[in-house]
Amino acid sequence: AQSVTQLDSHVSVSEGTPVLLRCNYSSSYSPSLFWYVQHPNKGLQLLLKYTSAATLVKGINGFEAEFKKSETSFHLTKPSAHMSDAAEYFCVVSDRGSARQLTFGSGTQLTVLP
Amino acid sequence: DTGVSQDPRHKITKRGQNVTFRCDPISEHNRLYWYRQTLGQGPEFLTYFQNEAQLEKSRLLSDRFSAERPKGSFSTLEIQRTEQGDSAMYLCASSLGQGASGTEAFFGQGTRLTVV
Repeated sequence: AQSVTQLDSHVSVSEGTPVLLRCNYSSSYSPSLFWYVQHPNKGLQLLLKYTSAATLVKGINGFEAEFKKSETSFHLTKPSAHMSDAAEYFCVVSDRGSARQLTFGSGTQLTVLP
Repeated sequence: DTGVSQDPRHKITKRGQNVTFRCDPISEHNRLYWYRQTLGQGPEFLTYFQNEAQLEKSRLLSDRFSAERPKGSFSTLEIQRTEQGDSAMYLCASSLGQGASGTEAFFGQGTRLTVV
């Protein structure tokens, strides 16, 4: 069985400061891990994915995430927040590779303050 | 191709009525998924097709729900005898893959169902 825990339901940062969204996972197999972003009235968009290559994964819009097997974590970071980053972020695990069945976390709402 | 398309975007229906949603995946994608998202939660897996074959169904998919992908292209999700608890966003996604490998899933904008 696979599961994802997003440790913060809401994160608030000031524009220009770092962003950290925390995610822990549980998987019976070698997992694939993803971060998706959901802006209001828009579809889910893939930010980045980890599929057993480099443990530090770079995504779009300056986001990156590090896979730490010993800590079963896949935290999302960005050095400097932008107003346009305000959205809901989902950490996602799949332990069958590709996207046969994705298990989503409950989401983290990111607010960026001016 | 502009991505995964879902129709309608919004649907309001009375309790007990049947509703049908349509999903058009990215044209070359052989895998298609349905998810359901309720307010404040992440999407939950409902069902998965590889080409026209429905390979996985969640226990969330009660016998009032049926999904088809008759020619391995577009898919429909029907809910019979709708209940207020069915109110949610229904998301469709598609990907390209063989075996255990494949691309990531690309999501449509969803169909928001409200049962009154």
